[in-house]
Amino acid sequence: GNSVTQMEGPVTLSEEAFLTINCTYTATGYPSLFWYVQYPGEGLQLLLKATKADDKGSNKGFEATYRKETTSFHLEKGSVQVSDSAVYFCALSSSSNTGKLIFGQGTTLQVKP
Amino acid sequence: EAGVAQSPRYKIIEKRQSVAFWCNPISGHATLYWYQQILGQGPKLLIQFQNNGVVDDSQLPKDRFSAERLKGVDSTLKIQPAKLEDSAVYLCASSLSSWNTEAFFGQGTRLTVV
Repeated sequence: GNSVTQMEGPVTLSEEAFLTINCTYTATGYPSLFWYVQYPGEGLQLLLKATKADDKGSNKGFEATYRKETTSFHLEKGSVQVSDSAVYFCALSSSSNTGKLIFGQGTTLQVKP
Repeated sequence: EAGVAQSPRYKIIEKRQSVAFWCNPISGHATLYWYQQILGQGPKLLIQFQNNGVVDDSQLPKDRFSAERLKGVDSTLKIQPAKLEDSAVYLCASSLSSWNTEAFFGQGTRLTVV
């Protein structure tokens, strides 16, 4: 069945460091891929998405590229800030477009000043 | 635009008791989801509604969990009787349709079963 695997956390970085959070997936067909973010005390928010191979999603300085050949959707940011501290979830929605999201286990990012 | 509203925010019950959670989706959103998020894991879909019909409830433990969306707007998720392993955050989300997969999430209800 469909599944998403994220790198284990927590990830601790200093402010202005480069961030990569790895995400790989298993799915049939051509899923859509998402990154959601959960700030402390808040609900999940969509950060970015990509709906087909080689698409790049971007938002708030974060980027991720849909790589079908490696079944990956790694999240990157060139310079993290303390305000980026949150839990990040990679997710997919199957090509059957039912809307159901399958999430990875989440990666906690802590950015220190 | 108002977001997805959920209540209560927190609930503590004893095992074998019953509990209900309420969700009011974003106005005009036809699709409503209930997810269960156990500590340290990603959310898992319990049930999906399209208007007032069930699209997917394959992961819902139907012997103890039930959900309804009678008028195609707000929804209630019930657990009866609760078990210790039901301790989790219950997230409600909505989207315009099942084909528009940008889902908007509420803040969730944190349930602790003791």
